[in-house]
Amino acid sequence: GNSVTQMEGPVTLSEEAFLTINCTYTATGYPSLFWYVQYPGEGLQLLLKATKADDKGSNKGFEATYRKETTSFHLEKGSVQVSDSAVYFCALSDNRGAQKLVFGQGTRLTINP
Amino acid sequence: GAVVSQHPSWVICKSGTSVKIECRSLDFQATTMFWYRQFPKQSLMLMATSNEGSKATYEQGVEKDKFLINHASLTLSTLTVTSAHPEDSSFYICSARDVGERQFFGPGTRLTVL
Repeated sequence: GNSVTQMEGPVTLSEEAFLTINCTYTATGYPSLFWYVQYPGEGLQLLLKATKADDKGSNKGFEATYRKETTSFHLEKGSVQVSDSAVYFCALSDNRGAQKLVFGQGTRLTINP
Repeated sequence: GAVVSQHPSWVICKSGTSVKIECRSLDFQATTMFWYRQFPKQSLMLMATSNEGSKATYEQGVEKDKFLINHASLTLSTLTVTSAHPEDSSFYICSARDVGERQFFGPGTRLTVL
């Protein structure tokens, strides 16, 4: 079945540091890939997505490129801020039927000033 | 952006009682809603897909008689945990899908069964 594996946290960085959160997936067919963010006390919010190979999703300074050859969708940001502290979830949708989402285990990110 | 609410945000109940959790899409209609369960430091696990006006579709291993789902309108789905036991303690999250097939998540409900 479909699955998503992301790097274990927690991750702690200083402000303005470079961020990478790794995500790899296993899926049949051609899934869509997503990064969701969960700020404290709030629901998951879509951060960015990519629907086909080599697509790059970007939002709020975050980027991730859909790499079919390595089945990866790593999240990157060049200079993190304290306000980026949150839990980040990588997910995929198989684009069939109900388009159910399969999530990775989440990575807690803490940015220190 | 679209807003999904859940009520209650947290609930504590005695073992053997039933608990109902509501999920509402506040500013859009959702023909499909999803219910997830999240254990501490673990991923969200899809429990069931709820379609307005029809029976929910449960994922493998989820007891439909224990987790009753009702999607009575285009803005409301409910999850009832029947005869709750301590092992049902968890964080329950719903999401609602709009006509553009985007999913919006509720803030979650923390259930503690004593």
